Amino acid sequence: DGGITQSPKYLFRKEGQNVTLSCEQNLNHDAMYWYRQDPGQGLRLIYYSQIVNDFQKGDIAEGYSVSREKKESFPLTVTSAQKNPTAFYLCASSKSLAREQYFGPGTRLTVT
Amino acid sequence: AQTVTQSQPEMSVQEAETVTLSCTYDTSESDYYLFWYKQPPSRQMILVIRQEAYKQQNATENRFSVNFQKAAKSFSLKISDSQLGDAAMYFCAYRRGGADGLTFGKGTHLIIQP
Repeated sequence: DGGITQSPKYLFRKEGQNVTLSCEQNLNHDAMYWYRQDPGQGLRLIYYSQIVNDFQKGDIAEGYSVSREKKESFPLTVTSAQKNPTAFYLCASSKSLAREQYFGPGTRLTVT
Repeated sequence: AQTVTQSQPEMSVQEAETVTLSCTYDTSESDYYLFWYKQPPSRQMILVIRQEAYKQQNATENRFSVNFQKAAKSFSLKISDSQLGDAAMYFCAYRRGGADGLTFGKGTHLIIQP
């Protein structure tokens, strides 16, 4: 099946720990994105990547880091510098920056 | 910066009826795209419909259609013959032509009354 996978579905961490969220796609899409969703809010862009080994900050990149070593993978690390890391995180991909984005099922991160 | 506003936090419609969800946006760009996404309780974001700003014709996808008013910067979604499976959060989103990610509104919670 072609699609976007995010794992795990639920993730729990202690405050002060870094945590990495996985995002993999087998759609042969060039562009990948990370969004954050808080209750009662729309999605906000964290980082995006147009090609391997290149990525750009979105609107709320502080406290996050990414890598794009393979076309299929775009992991997001939530660092201890992120003030309010508890949220729902969605990964998306598109054929290019100019095309519509398709989303993975999301990861719910809870930090206590 | 671009902004997207959805002024209806919640809407309710009877099954089989028609409902319209509102969206306005603010941009100084001439090349851009608009989208409606659906987020059911599973929280999976599903693309419903897209509209290119340069196209005058309103996009349609089966029971879903848009009313795109470029001068008014308005992009409403009409759902005809509403079904119980249409119950979800609906998000309006904007993207500049050929660049970066999406800017989302805060969403409208659509309730379908049986």
